Amino acid sequence: DGGITQSPKYLFRKEGQNVTLSCEQNLNHDAMYWYRQDPGQGLRLIYYSQIVNDFQKGDIAEGYSVSREKKESFPLTVTSAQKNPTAFYLCASSIYWGTGRSSNQPQHFGDGTRLSIL
Amino acid sequence: GEDVEQSLFLSVREGDSSVINCTYTDSSSTYLYWYKQEPGAGLQLLTYIFSNMDMKQDQRLTVLLNKKDKHLSLRIADTQTGDSAIYFCAENYNQGGKLIFGQGTELSVKP
Repeated sequence: DGGITQSPKYLFRKEGQNVTLSCEQNLNHDAMYWYRQDPGQGLRLIYYSQIVNDFQKGDIAEGYSVSREKKESFPLTVTSAQKNPTAFYLCASSIYWGTGRSSNQPQHFGDGTRLSIL
Repeated sequence: GEDVEQSLFLSVREGDSSVINCTYTDSSSTYLYWYKQEPGAGLQLLTYIFSNMDMKQDQRLTVLLNKKDKHLSLRIADTQTGDSAIYFCAENYNQGGKLIFGQGTELSVKP
């Protein structure tokens, strides 16, 4: 079945440690996104990528980094510079991201990774 | 800047209709979306509406769009306990692909 796989489901970070969240999709989607969700809040965009080897900062990129070396994969690293990393992280993907009506294809989401501090 | 607002909670009885409301600010949005999130899970796309439409119906779901007032609603007919979840409204921000989400409405369905 086609879909988006996020791993691990739960992750714990120690002080000063970088951790990497995995996101893989087999939907052949061009665009991929990372969101952060805090209790009682909507989703906030961290980073997004339109094509391989290219990505842009979202609204809350500080303390995070990403890479897009393959179309299927968009890992997110939560660095030690992110002082409040405890949250639910969601990865999404969509078909061709660009101008015109094709830019508005719906995003499909993975099941999320819950990150906590030890 | 762009903003999407939703009420935080809604409680209904099983079998009643639920109406979840959303207001948005970006008049250039071309698509508006409704997502459902069950506890501990990701977001599931329920439906979406193009901005030149007033209404879209899909089985028990009806989406109404009032573009003049920038108001979007999701009506769930014959609400079931399995509909209990958080519902997010989202608009596509006019820079292609970027979605702006509301805070989510927690729907509680009582038997």
